[in-house]
Amino acid sequence: DTGVSQNPRHKITKRGQNVTFRCDPISEHNRLYWYRQTLGQGPEFLTYFQNEAQLEKSRLLSDRFSAERPKGSFSTLEIQRTEQGDSAMYLCASSEGSTTNEKLFFGSGTQLSVL
Amino acid sequence: AQSVAQPEDQVNVAEGNPLTVKCTYSVSGNPYLFWYVQYPNRGLQFLLKYITGDNLVKGSYGFEAEFNKSQTSFHLKKPSALVSDSALYFCASKLNDYKLSFGAGTTVTVRA
Repeated sequence: DTGVSQNPRHKITKRGQNVTFRCDPISEHNRLYWYRQTLGQGPEFLTYFQNEAQLEKSRLLSDRFSAERPKGSFSTLEIQRTEQGDSAMYLCASSEGSTTNEKLFFGSGTQLSVL
Repeated sequence: AQSVAQPEDQVNVAEGNPLTVKCTYSVSGNPYLFWYVQYPNRGLQFLLKYITGDNLVKGSYGFEAEFNKSQTSFHLKKPSALVSDSALYFCASKLNDYKLSFGAGTTVTVRA
């Protein structure tokens, strides 16, 4: 499978615990995005990487959220001291080429449930 | 700022009938508009995009979308719907070089 891969598919955690999600983009894609989707809403932009550089971070991301993309390959999204409001589907996407008309390739997402 | 709105939460059509999913946009400048589809347990998939040029854009799976500047709309259409088109459809606009703003989504159900 050469698509975007996200792990785990599901994560159930207790409030206050830390969680980490992983995204493996399509190998030749230099851009990587994280979005968050809650029930009944469209995906909301969280952050963006160009290779290993994190170029933009949404105000939606509190200080409890951190994302990395070491060596410009896979990316991790960590949430510290989880809250019930963090429950959502976390989507990763990757792309290449011109940013003007780019086509994003999305993974299947990680569904986080905070109890 | 650019954003999109999808006025219908759900659209129900019979197989073989035309399908329209509505999207309106509010834009400063030239809009970059997209449609994505989300099938159950699968990631969002790109359908089509409008950047500039022809107002009628053709995309994947027989879908097309019509850009209408006077009505600030970008409706998704398919002449003859299939049961397999049942999914969640998102309209999106590009806020800047890398940030998409998605609508809330429209659930399409095509009955046999």
